[in-house]
Amino acid sequence: NAGVTQTPKFQVLKTGQSMTLQCAQDMNHNSMYWYRQDPGMGLRLIYYSASEGTTDKGEVPNGYNVSRLNKREFSLRLESAAPSQTSVYFCASSSRDRGWDEQFFGPGTRLTVL
Amino acid sequence: AQSVTQLGSHVSVSEGALVLLRCNYSSSVPPYLFWYVQYPNQGLQLLLKYTTGATLVKGINGFEAEFKKSETSFHLTKPSAHMSDAAEYFCAVSSKETSGSRLTFGEGTQLTVNP
Repeated sequence: NAGVTQTPKFQVLKTGQSMTLQCAQDMNHNSMYWYRQDPGMGLRLIYYSASEGTTDKGEVPNGYNVSRLNKREFSLRLESAAPSQTSVYFCASSSRDRGWDEQFFGPGTRLTVL
Repeated sequence: AQSVTQLGSHVSVSEGALVLLRCNYSSSVPPYLFWYVQYPNQGLQLLLKYTTGATLVKGINGFEAEFKKSETSFHLTKPSAHMSDAAEYFCAVSSKETSGSRLTFGEGTQLTVNP
């Protein structure tokens, strides 16, 4: 099992460009999450999907959109990138959308917006 | 609303010394508490978690944490540090009242282990 995979690993964008970060999990998990990690701020939830067909906003959703393509895949789109979106992005999944479930994290995508 | 505070963004210990990473939480309902570890250029990995029951929780790699409700704390300890423990550690909280597994993370503590 690969667990949670993310593509790309690194990306550099210019302000105003768009891109989609891809995430897939092979653990048959129902719930998936997108976080951003910034120095000194821990991880902050951008969007999550409790189950296939549903998505909800997290703590910092502005400037992002998501798509739960199927049970395995959950993508994050930046329509018009801004320097404030320079960050490391992590995708995670959990068995179900329950508070005590362990979340499994991907290796991250390091995004720089110039 | 829930929150987590990790005291000390950087902690440095000598190899073989006690590791103590501090975490305090705020929650109006019984919390679920987690410690995750992040090695350089990797994602996060669960070290241990507290949900209900025994307040002393043992995790992987010799780490343990104790849930103290009266102190609203969940400090992480390891009796003897190893060089391989150098990483960033995150405390996180969720609860039955949050929308599912919506974790709130602390700011992180970078652990350095000196030879």
